This record gives sequence, C-alpha cells and structure tokens, in this order.
Amino acid sequence: EAGVAQSPRYKIIEKRQSVAFWCNPISGHATLYWYQQILGQGPKLLIQFQNNGVVDDSQLPKDRFSAERLKGVDSTLKIQPAKLEDSAVYLCASRDHPGWDTIYFGEGSWLTVV
Amino acid sequence: AQSVTQLDSHVSVSEGTPVLLRCNYSSSYSPSLFWYVQHPNKGLQLLLKYTSAATLVKGINGFEAEFKKSETSFHLTKPSAHMSDAAEYFCVVSDPGRDDKIIFGKGTRLHILP
Repeated sequence: EAGVAQSPRYKIIEKRQSVAFWCNPISGHATLYWYQQILGQGPKLLIQFQNNGVVDDSQLPKDRFSAERLKGVDSTLKIQPAKLEDSAVYLCASRDHPGWDTIYFGEGSWLTVV
Repeated sequence: AQSVTQLDSHVSVSEGTPVLLRCNYSSSYSPSLFWYVQHPNKGLQLLLKYTSAATLVKGINGFEAEFKKSETSFHLTKPSAHMSDAAEYFCVVSDPGRDDKIIFGKGTRLHILP
C-alpha cells in the first residue's frame, strides 16, 4: 500500500513570495489533514477535509493560507504572501474512517522563509 | 474540551534501562489514543494505538502503553532503551464523537545516554 505522498520535500522562499504544497493521501481515505509543525513544537492542525468538504479550518490563517481538495482526493495548501514565521514543516495526513483508524502521515514539506 | 498533556518535554535514560514517557488526556467521549515517533528530519511513524479493546497495547520496537481510564493516562514504556530510540515522541488523542478531531501533545524528546 502506497503511503501519503507530499511534494516538494524542501522549499526556500523569500518573505512575501508564494508557495504551494501538494498532498496525495492513501487511496480511498476520506479524511485528509494538513498540520503545521514549527521546530521544537507539536503539529498544529491547519485544516481537515472529509472527502472534498472542510470539517475544520478554525486555525488556518485565512488571510494568507488557503487549501483545497478538489474531487475529494489530492489536496493543495498555498501560502501567499509568506512570512518569516511560516517557516515550518507542513505535514499531510489521511485516515480511512474517523475515530479509531490509524492516521497516516507523509514525510512532510519543509519550508524556510528568508 | 479535548486536551493532551505530555508531562516531560525531555527525558534522558541510559542505554539498556527502562523508558517511561508520560501522557495524560482529557476527553468527553471514549477516545482513541496513539503514540507516534518522529526521528530527526523524518515523518511521523505510528508506534501503537488504543481503540477500546485491550487496555495494554503492544507496539513496534518493544514499546507498549497502558490505558488507565481512572487516571486518564496513556503512558509509553519500554523495558530496555536502545540508542536508536532517541527521537521525539507524540501522544495523540482522537475523539470519534467530535468530528474526528485529532489533538497532539507538545512532544517528549527522548535522549539515550551511552
């Protein structure tokens, strides 16, 4: 079974530039999550999708971050314009059924804003 | 409200001695609980999960955890530490009755002394 795929793995951009991250969850998984993990901290949920609908985006900075999951499969997370404090690892995760199933994580996309 | 508290931000043990990483949770429902490990520059890997079956859960690499409802705890243990266990460990709670919200603890950095 293929895992959660993320790209790019590493990205360095200047502040005020834009960046986009892509995630392809495990086939058939209905729930998809994007997390932000700042160095030395635990992951923080940015947005949760159930199929192609948003379940929770309460911690997504909507003035600069956006995410979509067209057709309920892969997803894109965009940051525009980037700030220095956006430097972090962006983790995508997916899950088959809510509640009890294992949550599978991708390797992460490492963003450095200079 | 849901919450997860990892009681130690850093734990140091000597190789060959027991490991104890502590986690307490707060949940309104019957939660599912997970421990994930993150090695430097790597993604999150599932160690073990509790999903209301046996209260003593065995995971990979010799780790296990015991769910104690009366103490709202889910501590992670290993009888004998190995150098390769040095990593960041995250306790995670998922509430099936709350839109499948997943909450991470802040993490515990495990150091193994030779």
